[in-house]
Amino acid sequence: DGGITQSPKYLFRKEGQNVTLSCEQNLNHDAMYWYRQDPGQGLRLIYYSQIVNDFQKGDIAEGYSVSREKKESFPLTVTSAQKNPTAFYLCASSIIWGSSYEQYFGPGTRLTVT
Amino acid sequence: SQELEQSPQSLIVQEGKNLTINCTSSKTLYGLYWYKQKYGEGLIFLMMLQKGGEEKSHEKITAKLDEKKQQSSLHITASQPSHAGIYLCGAVGTGFQKLVFGTGTRLLVSP
Repeated sequence: DGGITQSPKYLFRKEGQNVTLSCEQNLNHDAMYWYRQDPGQGLRLIYYSQIVNDFQKGDIAEGYSVSREKKESFPLTVTSAQKNPTAFYLCASSIIWGSSYEQYFGPGTRLTVT
Repeated sequence: SQELEQSPQSLIVQEGKNLTINCTSSKTLYGLYWYKQKYGEGLIFLMMLQKGGEEKSHEKITAKLDEKKQQSSLHITASQPSHAGIYLCGAVGTGFQKLVFGTGTRLLVSP
């Protein structure tokens, strides 16, 4: 079955540590996205990638970094510079970049930093 | 930038009752997605509306796009516990633009 996988589902880290969230898709989609979801707020775009070896900042990129070395993988690193890293992180993909194309979402990773 | 406001923010209905969720845009809507999210999980695509006046149904869920009002409504008929979750709308922009999401409506269905 095609889809998007995110791991782990729950992640706990101490303040000051960097942490990397995994996102893999086998849908052969060119575009991939990372969103952050906080209680009472909608999804906010962190980074997106239109194609392999390319990525762009979204609305809240500060304190985060990404890479896109393979079409199927788009890992997100939450650095110690991110002031409020505790949140639910969602990865998504679409056949190509743009809001006209349905985005498929992974199950999410809940990150807790203490 | 475009903003989407959903109302109500949360809703508790008795099983079997009908309900409506609204999504209002600050700018022209060129299309709209409706997604459902179970607590702590990813988003599940429900439907996409592309033209003004378009109405789509999936099982007991019907959504309609009113371009003039810059609004979409999602209606659930005879609600069931399986309908509980967070419903999010997402606006389609012009050209190759990012998807903008609403703040979500949290639905609880009581037995």
